[in-house]
Amino acid sequence: GAVVSQHPSWVICKSGTSVKIECRSLDFQATTMFWYRQFPKQSLMLMATSNEGSKATYEQGVEKDKFLINHASLTLSTLTVTSAHPEDSSFYICSARWSGSYEQYFGPGTRLTVT
Amino acid sequence: AQSVAQPEDQVNVAEGNPLTVKCTYSVSGNPYLFWYVQYPNRGLQFLLKYITGDNLVKGSYGFEAEFNKSQTSFHLKKPSALVSDSALYFCAVRYMDSNYQLIWGAGTKLIIKP
Repeated sequence: GAVVSQHPSWVICKSGTSVKIECRSLDFQATTMFWYRQFPKQSLMLMATSNEGSKATYEQGVEKDKFLINHASLTLSTLTVTSAHPEDSSFYICSARWSGSYEQYFGPGTRLTVT
Repeated sequence: AQSVAQPEDQVNVAEGNPLTVKCTYSVSGNPYLFWYVQYPNRGLQFLLKYITGDNLVKGSYGFEAEFNKSQTSFHLKKPSALVSDSALYFCAVRYMDSNYQLIWGAGTKLIIKP
């Protein structure tokens, strides 16, 4: 149980284009979803937290106009990287929790490379 | 300020020996503590958590962790290491009064040698 999927698992895009990453909870209703970046050999950096039907809360230093997050349903959240640049290349990971759970369950991550 | 520290970048253990991965924390109030494991090319997996109650918590794959309030530690342990335990381990603590956001340690690479 508690499976979270992400799509795509990897994507290469050209500088200036936008990329959408989907995060789905497959067997539970995710009242809260989180988006992280993970740099090589580094820990996770929380980008934003979203509750279903509400606007995402972004961490300090994260550009909300660049990283658009939509949590439209209890099983789906999307992260859109707008006007991507090479410095946006990273490993993006989503996680989710259901109401009443303390722990988060993670998707497998999406490797974004911007050329 | 709230923080989590994993003082060892890497821990090397021989297969069959006990292993310990260290974690210390600094939070206000009662901490909610977690351990996650990240295998290569796979997502993070939840191992165990401490919320309240017994200081020794047991989790997946034979791992356990001991909450020590006086030392503000939450070390991960396993009595007998397997080569398949080799992975990256993260300790995390919940932001107090948050929407279950977590503060993450830097991670410890665990290498189990046959």
